[in-house]
Amino acid sequence: KAGVTQTPRYLIKTRGQQVTLSCSPISGHRSVSWYQQTPGQGLQFLFEYFSETQRNKGNFPGRFSGRQFSNSRSEMNVSTLELGDSALYLCASSLVGLAGLQETQYFGPGTRLLVL
Amino acid sequence: GESVGLHLPTLSVQEGDNSIINCAYSNSASDYFIWYKQESGKGPQFIIDIRSNMDKRQGQRVTVLLNKTVKHLSLQIAATQPGDSAVYFCAETWRGGGNKLTFGTGTQLKVEL
Repeated sequence: KAGVTQTPRYLIKTRGQQVTLSCSPISGHRSVSWYQQTPGQGLQFLFEYFSETQRNKGNFPGRFSGRQFSNSRSEMNVSTLELGDSALYLCASSLVGLAGLQETQYFGPGTRLLVL
Repeated sequence: GESVGLHLPTLSVQEGDNSIINCAYSNSASDYFIWYKQESGKGPQFIIDIRSNMDKRQGQRVTVLLNKTVKHLSLQIAATQPGDSAVYFCAETWRGGGNKLTFGTGTQLKVEL
């Protein structure tokens, strides 16, 4: 079974621009979560989508948004890019457990974003 | 301003020795814990998980121990190999938190030949 795929793998943008990152989950996984990884802050949760709805949100400004499509693929968007947005953006997918039981999240390789 | 990187603790072990990586968590409501391995340039790779109704769980060459009393988690790797060199993260969540994982800062494991 294919793993989580993310595109593009690398991206260079300038301040003020916007960017859209894409994630295709493992087949059958309906929950998709996004994380930001930086040397200064480590791995931080951005948001989670399930059934095309945002189910959880981390402490990031409104410039960070996402969506999920009916085939469970997800995109995240960052508007008005800042230098501090340079990071590795990771997508993870999982099954959805019964009665809120957590399921293992499997990560993609990430998109490396550099903001100049 | 200048960003300061997180200080990653480093564990150096000889090939063939056992490794123990520790993690302290703060949320007493956390009931699901996962260990991930991250190699340079790659995303985190699932190693093993444990739920709060267990104290110990074993996988292939790995064992996770959970001590809820002191909110401590450990990952034991038997017969450590050069391919085990990576950064290891513990992550936690709780039933009310859905899939929102909170990650530790990570431990750099270096395997010396």
